Amino acid sequence: AQSVTQLGSHVSVSEGALVLLRCNYSSSVPPYLFWYVQYPNQGLQLLLKYTSAATLVKGINGFEAEFKKSETSFHLTKPSAHMSDAAEYFCAVSDRGFGNEKLTFGTGTRLTIIP
Amino acid sequence: GAGVSQSPSNKVTEKGKDVELRCDPISGHTALYWYRQRLGQGLEFLIYFQGNSAPDKSGLPSDRFSAERTGESVSTLTIQRTQQEDSAVYLCASSLATGFSETQYFGPGTRLLVL
Repeated sequence: AQSVTQLGSHVSVSEGALVLLRCNYSSSVPPYLFWYVQYPNQGLQLLLKYTSAATLVKGINGFEAEFKKSETSFHLTKPSAHMSDAAEYFCAVSDRGFGNEKLTFGTGTRLTIIP
Repeated sequence: GAGVSQSPSNKVTEKGKDVELRCDPISGHTALYWYRQRLGQGLEFLIYFQGNSAPDKSGLPSDRFSAERTGESVSTLTIQRTQQEDSAVYLCASSLATGFSETQYFGPGTRLLVL
């Protein structure tokens, strides 16, 4: 069964600094990987997804993530943090196994931006 | 167009009571998913529908939980004889089709508190 691990339940960065949110996956086959963001009192919104077309994936709001098979990682980055990036971020994996339709989520990382 | 909507947004109930949670997916989306998010934890898959059928009920925590979908549209998640451990945010998502690379669009959730 697939799983994801998000290192760091809370991350704080200064406005304008690099954002790095870590995600490692475990899967018996090459997975599809997703990053979702949850703003306060809102539903989850897709930031980006990896579906094997390219290892560097660009998403909305200036975020990107790189799939590294050798490290089983899919870390989320943004060069310069903005106050509006404060939210909770979830990494998720979808197994390519036939009939396995669900997403398996990590426990989330709460990002705080320091003015 | 309209996104996924859920009602009620908040529900407080007494232990032992039954509750019904409603999800209205995006029009035309054939797949519908239910997840649970307990405080401080990641999202936990409960069940998904393809059309009105539920091929995967593996995530339902107990036989007190049931779900149905009608008209390939609205879905209802029912929790019978609620327990305090059922307190969580219940999230619904829909996607255009099933498939491991399909983007799931999430509603804002129903926050359930069992006293």
